[in-house]
Amino acid sequence: GEDVEQSLFLSVREGDSSVINCTYTDSSSTYLYWYKQEPGAGLQLLTYIFSNMDMKQDQRLTVLLNKKDKHLSLRIADTQTGDSAIYFCARGGDTDKLIFGTGTRLQVFP
Amino acid sequence: NAGVTQTPKFQVLKTGQSMTLQCAQDMNHEYMSWYRQDPGMGLRLIHYSVGAGITDQGEVPNGYNVSRSTTEDFPLRLLSAAPSQTSVYFCASSRGGMNTEAFFGQGTRLTVV
Repeated sequence: GEDVEQSLFLSVREGDSSVINCTYTDSSSTYLYWYKQEPGAGLQLLTYIFSNMDMKQDQRLTVLLNKKDKHLSLRIADTQTGDSAIYFCARGGDTDKLIFGTGTRLQVFP
Repeated sequence: NAGVTQTPKFQVLKTGQSMTLQCAQDMNHEYMSWYRQDPGMGLRLIHYSVGAGITDQGEVPNGYNVSRSTTEDFPLRLLSAAPSQTSVYFCASSRGGMNTEAFFGQGTRLTVV
């Protein structure tokens, strides 16, 4: 998805917070999603945010949306080794298609 | 309830061979799609279907065909495999419409030599 951009790598220490960023170009996006991919597995939905929201919190996860700047972030509090995975940002619009970003590989070290 | 099942998990093809990647879902989802995942490029949509008998192209459809004769199945056909089609392929399904979670299969790792 060339219009959904993410940085490729992020490395954090266990117990710290992780912030994964995503930018997109299509302002018609209605829903924005975060998916997690563990090694050798498919993607699983972590959380989503509707475009008229600024923030959504779900336990250790906080999603922030800056619609003006078309910037989405996922914050993981108290990051654990089990959070090591690839995280994909995706946008959806008025169709069923999901457009994914490049994915950010999160590595958590002790 | 198995969710989305893809077969095979691994496949090696010679250049020019054809094959079909199978995808089946048992959730009565209308929407199904095929993605390929390549390093540094995320997931790119190959083809998708909004219901039985309806298919459409995604971002990277060349070299692939699909059909949707039933709600459950959405096979992806490689007509004449090329090394550029070496990738991990994912099938996904969802209920359709906005704000619906996509469920992914475990993926098929394809190598074309």
